[in-house]
Amino acid sequence: DTAVSQTPKYLVTQMGNDKSIKCEQNLGHDTMYWYKQDSKKFLKIMFSYNNKELIINETVPNRFSPKSPDKAHLNLHINSLELGDSAVYFCASSPLVGGYTEAFFGQGTRLTVV
Amino acid sequence: AQKITQTQPGMFVQEKEAVTLDCTYDTSDPSYGLFWYKQPSSGEMIFLIYQGSYDQQNATEGRYSLNFQKARKSANLVISASQLGDSAMYFCAMREAGNSGGSNYKLTFGKGTLLTVNP
Repeated sequence: DTAVSQTPKYLVTQMGNDKSIKCEQNLGHDTMYWYKQDSKKFLKIMFSYNNKELIINETVPNRFSPKSPDKAHLNLHINSLELGDSAVYFCASSPLVGGYTEAFFGQGTRLTVV
Repeated sequence: AQKITQTQPGMFVQEKEAVTLDCTYDTSDPSYGLFWYKQPSSGEMIFLIYQGSYDQQNATEGRYSLNFQKARKSANLVISASQLGDSAMYFCAMREAGNSGGSNYKLTFGKGTLLTVNP
């Protein structure tokens, strides 16, 4: 009964490849997010979706393309991977907006580009 | 300007003692929420405690309490009776309720404090 699940947990790939990370939440939340955690542990928002609609695209290169087929899923596709894309990517979800709700995080996907 | 500032990159505490992790924030939105998350070495993000900008009392959850000083824009996390399992990275985060630039659709995080509990 995992709340927010993302796959795979680890992803090692070569530069130039295209890869996807999948995320699903079974909490019935309307809002989903992708965060990137760099090597210094800094967490930065990449994308935010509400009911399948893109709300935030935080100056992410267009090699990153999120896709939300329904409000329970938010997948992240990355084209032409670069060394600098190596990081931990977290999917998260929250029920409401307005300052009052925490985000529930998946376990993270550690992406290593070689 | 940084919205969330955590000035302590690392902190050490003796087991069973209390420790305070600092967090200051910057917002002009009168309505916002402040959150603390724990990230152990295993990597998952664990929600600890929440404080709303209009809450009159400081939030508490078990051994965790939030020292909320609104005028100073600080939201420090206090962990009482530290345990070895408290050793982790701790993040302060804020969600603003206004919709400027989609600000209510994201949590903004500080850079974190690495807490080490010594036996």
